[in-house]
Amino acid sequence: RKEVEQDPGPFNVPEGATVAFNCTYSNSASQSFFWYRQDCRKEPKLLMSVYSSGNEDGRFTAQLNRASQYISLLIRDSKLSDSATYLCVVNRGGGDYKLSFGAGTTVTVRA
Amino acid sequence: GAGVSQSPSNKVTEKGKDVELRCDPISGHTALYWYRQSLGQGLEFLIYFQGNSAPDKSGLPSDRFSAERTGGSVSTLTIQRTQQEDSAVYLCASSLVGSNSPLHFGNGTRLTVT
Repeated sequence: RKEVEQDPGPFNVPEGATVAFNCTYSNSASQSFFWYRQDCRKEPKLLMSVYSSGNEDGRFTAQLNRASQYISLLIRDSKLSDSATYLCVVNRGGGDYKLSFGAGTTVTVRA
Repeated sequence: GAGVSQSPSNKVTEKGKDVELRCDPISGHTALYWYRQSLGQGLEFLIYFQGNSAPDKSGLPSDRFSAERTGGSVSTLTIQRTQQEDSAVYLCASSLVGSNSPLHFGNGTRLTVT
């Protein structure tokens, strides 16, 4: 089983829609969780960290479900500029801080 | 402050030549990663350095690939006897170590092997 797994999508949504997707991780000891965004031919950039209590940054909401070992990202009121690949990042935990990336979820927002 | 710096930004080389790619991490970042990404594909982990620990080389695709990190700072990724399938963008990232320390990426080196 891969350390981090994501639904590759693509998720094709109209402007203004809400889109949500999950990322599952295999190691129950994982402690650090992030969502990154990668635009075509660009390096990944941090979108947001994911905290135990869940957190929100504008139109983006991240949640952590430790019992089921997944994190989620929800995008409200989608904009054309939200079109990107969203990468889930998780550490191994148990004192091992190495970060592992999921393969990414592609989101395309259409006018 | 300064981010992760990679050089060169583009490299074109002939098949069979050796290449060296350089990464200058953010000052004070003890963790350093190399990834590569082929067009339209996901990130492929290559190697991970963490402080003075032995590097995690589990992602290196063959013995033609090697990397070192001198003085816990600058890292060099070397590819010997390059092949066309080595063509990709090579990304370096660094971070502090600890919970909630995200990775910061450089702009990458685009390697083309002709």
